[in-house]
Amino acid sequence: DARVTQTPRDKVTEMGQEVTMRCQPILGHNTVFWYRQTMMQGLELLAYFRNRAPLDDSGMPKDRFSAEMPDATLATLKIQPSEPRDSAVYFCASGEDRRFLRFFGPGTRLTVL
Amino acid sequence: AQKITQTQPGMFVQEKEAVTLDCTYDTSDPSYGLFWYKQPSSGEMIFLIYQGSYDQQNATEGRYSLNFQKARKSANLVISASQLGDSAMYFCAMREADRGSTLGRLYFGRGTQLTVWP
Repeated sequence: DARVTQTPRDKVTEMGQEVTMRCQPILGHNTVFWYRQTMMQGLELLAYFRNRAPLDDSGMPKDRFSAEMPDATLATLKIQPSEPRDSAVYFCASGEDRRFLRFFGPGTRLTVL
Repeated sequence: AQKITQTQPGMFVQEKEAVTLDCTYDTSDPSYGLFWYKQPSSGEMIFLIYQGSYDQQNATEGRYSLNFQKARKSANLVISASQLGDSAMYFCAMREADRGSTLGRLYFGRGTQLTVWP
């Protein structure tokens, strides 16, 4: 079964530290999304890429968040410096163009103390 | 304005019964897609069903069907013959047209927590 993988699955860190989350999309998928889930805001889009180019990062706090796709098999989401309000579950999802979004990764649960 | 509204924070259904989870949406885009995802307590997001705005028939996937009423902007999920394993949070989502692609930003509702009891 093809799956989106995310690492780490859980991360506890202290305020001010850098956090890097990684996502391996399903092979052949050309569109990668980052979503964040919190109790307050629900599920919201942070950024997404098509063919490794960023298409929309309007949901990301630009001063501390950055998202990249160094290659087709890896997407990264970095937070520097992290803050307690960044505590959330971060989901990566991937899909093929002309299809619809079916595949989410298991999520990274981030806790910033 | 909210693009997706799920008015039922929680629903209860007895095993083997059918249940309908409500979802209304708001868009002026003629081309859009509607989704339902399931999130069990383990936290993963599981795709259930998709309906395109131009699809003439209601989508079905096994025990799941999407009751699509375009004029009312409603996309309710019907689960037939509920099972204990259906207990989970259910999210409705919408995708608007995005640069001609079917893969674009999703707007999610706040979810409905379904509990199936024996």
